[in-house]
Amino acid sequence: DGGITQSPKYLFRKEGQNVTLSCEQNLNHDAMYWYRQDPGQGLRLIYYSQIVNDFQKGDIAEGYSVSREKKESFPLTVTSAQKNPTAFYLCASSAGRGPQETQYFGPGTRLLVL
Amino acid sequence: GNSVTQMEGPVTLSEEAFLTINCTYTATGYPSLFWYVQYPGEGLQLLLKATKADDKGSNKGFEATYRKETTSFHLEKGSVQVSDSAVYFCALRVGQGAQKLVFGQGTRLTINP
Repeated sequence: DGGITQSPKYLFRKEGQNVTLSCEQNLNHDAMYWYRQDPGQGLRLIYYSQIVNDFQKGDIAEGYSVSREKKESFPLTVTSAQKNPTAFYLCASSAGRGPQETQYFGPGTRLLVL
Repeated sequence: GNSVTQMEGPVTLSEEAFLTINCTYTATGYPSLFWYVQYPGEGLQLLLKATKADDKGSNKGFEATYRKETTSFHLEKGSVQVSDSAVYFCALRVGQGAQKLVFGQGTRLTINP
């Protein structure tokens, strides 16, 4: 089945540690996105990528980094510079352009700080 | 700027009740509008969308009509079920190509049997 997979489902980070969240899609979508969700709030965009080897900062990029070496993969690294990393992280992808473009989401990774 | 405002939750209804979740937006240009649903511990699932004024999106008994004159996209369902209990997010996107979604804060819906 086509879809978006995120791993792990739960991730624990120690102080000063970098951690990487995986996002893979087999939908052949060009664009991929990372959002952060905090309790009782909507989603906020961290980074997005329109094509391989290209990505742009979203609204809350500080303390995060990404890479896009393959079309299928868009990993997110939460660095030690991110002082409040506890949140639910959602990856999305989309295809096409214009009004019909629709983003589809993965199941999410919950990051907790030890 | 672009923004979405949803009715505050939580909303609690009895099974078979009529549901309305209000959503209004502010946008530059002509946005596409979306409703997503999030079940506990899961990611977001697209519920329905509308891409131009007066379009009606529908899915699984849910409907929403893109009202440009009132800048609204209210979600409705005629008879809710316990399985509809979830958090519902209204969102908009302006522009073409890879563009971020702007989300409302979400409305938690609980349906009691």
